[in-house]
This record gives sequence, C-alpha cells and structure tokens, in this order.
Amino acid sequence: GAVVSQHPSWVICKSGTSVKIECRSLDFQATTMFWYRQFPKQSLMLMATSNEGSKATYEQGVEKDKFLINHASLTLSTLTVTSAHPEDSSFYICSARVIRDRGSEQYFGPGTRLTVT
Amino acid sequence: GNSVTQMEGPVTLSEEAFLTINCTYTATGYPSLFWYVQYPGEGLQLLLKATKADDKGSNKGFEATYRKETTSFHLEKGSVQVSDSAVYFCALSESNSGYALNFGKGTSLLVTP
Repeated sequence: GAVVSQHPSWVICKSGTSVKIECRSLDFQATTMFWYRQFPKQSLMLMATSNEGSKATYEQGVEKDKFLINHASLTLSTLTVTSAHPEDSSFYICSARVIRDRGSEQYFGPGTRLTVT
Repeated sequence: GNSVTQMEGPVTLSEEAFLTINCTYTATGYPSLFWYVQYPGEGLQLLLKATKADDKGSNKGFEATYRKETTSFHLEKGSVQVSDSAVYFCALSESNSGYALNFGKGTSLLVTP
C-alpha cells in the first residue's frame, strides 16, 4: 500500500510550451501533497504545499504564476510548468501526506524528469 | 528557520565496513527527524524516523538516535552491503511548516565488494 505515482516519468518539451505533471495517491487519500524540485546531485527543495480544495502555498522564490498547482481531489494534484524555459529543466517530485493512528507519513512519487529544449 | 546539514559525500566503503553519516539540524520547535534513501533510478523511500528526543529509529540494520542536546540524528550501520549503495537524505519536518520536509543535501554512498 501507500503508492504514489507520477505521470509522465519524463518529458521533453520546447521552450515556451507548458507541461502538466500529475501526482496520484493510488491506494490512500492524502490530506496534503507537496511538490519538490531536485537539481542534479543536490537536495530536494520544497516548491509548494497543496491541500485539496484550497490554493497552494508557495515557498519564497517560487513563481506561482509559472508553476500552477491544482489539487482537485484527495488523490490527485497537478503541477503545470507554464511557458517553460531551459532553466526549468529539473527533476520534479511530489509527495503525499496521510494521517494515520501512529502519526503522519509522507510517501514520494518516483519523480518526473523535465527537459526543456 | 529550519535547516539540515549532513556530511558531504561521496562516501566509499568496503563491504562489511561500519557506516556513519552525520546529520545535524536547526529547528524552531520540536521537529520529527527522518532518513530517506534514494536508490539509483528510484524514488525516495523512508528508511527510518524518530519523532521525539532520545527516540531511536531503525530499519534494515540502519539506526539513528534523535539527540536534542547535540541537535543530531546520525545514521549508522554496523556492516554495509553492496546493495546499500544509494544516496541518503536526512530531513526534518515540523507542524509549523505544514509538515513539509526540509532535506539535507544528501550523501552518496558506494559500497564496493
């Protein structure tokens, strides 16, 4: 159990186009989903926190008009990179938080590799 | 604000060697502490966690103890295997940051036969 999927796993797009990445919790409902960005050989940086039915909370320095997050249900969050540029090329990872009796757990998706040409 | 500092790699060990990866943190409150592992080509997996001071998290032979007095959560394993080769991330989360994880930079471990 506790599987988080991301789609697509990798995508190549041209500069100026938009790309949507989906994050789904397959066998549980997530109260909160998080979006992270990972640069090569570096750590994960939190981009935004999204709760179902409400607007995402973005970290300082993350452009909310560029990285659109929609959390339509307790099992689906989407990240759309609008007007992508080569500097947006990165590894995007989502996680889903679920509250259990023994506390909360976060489960990570496998990540989406975005390359903007 | 919160931050996590872990030793930089890469760390190269021979099979059956003892492993320590240091991790220290700064936090405004009482965080939960985690170690995540990322195997080549795979997503992050929770390795172990501790939610309060003096707790010891353990899994697959790895251990880490939440030390409030030294603000540390060092990862140890008595005898590493080749299959332990991966990148290890120390992380913390707090309720005042919505439980988002704040990660260290990661430590790459390579275990050779």
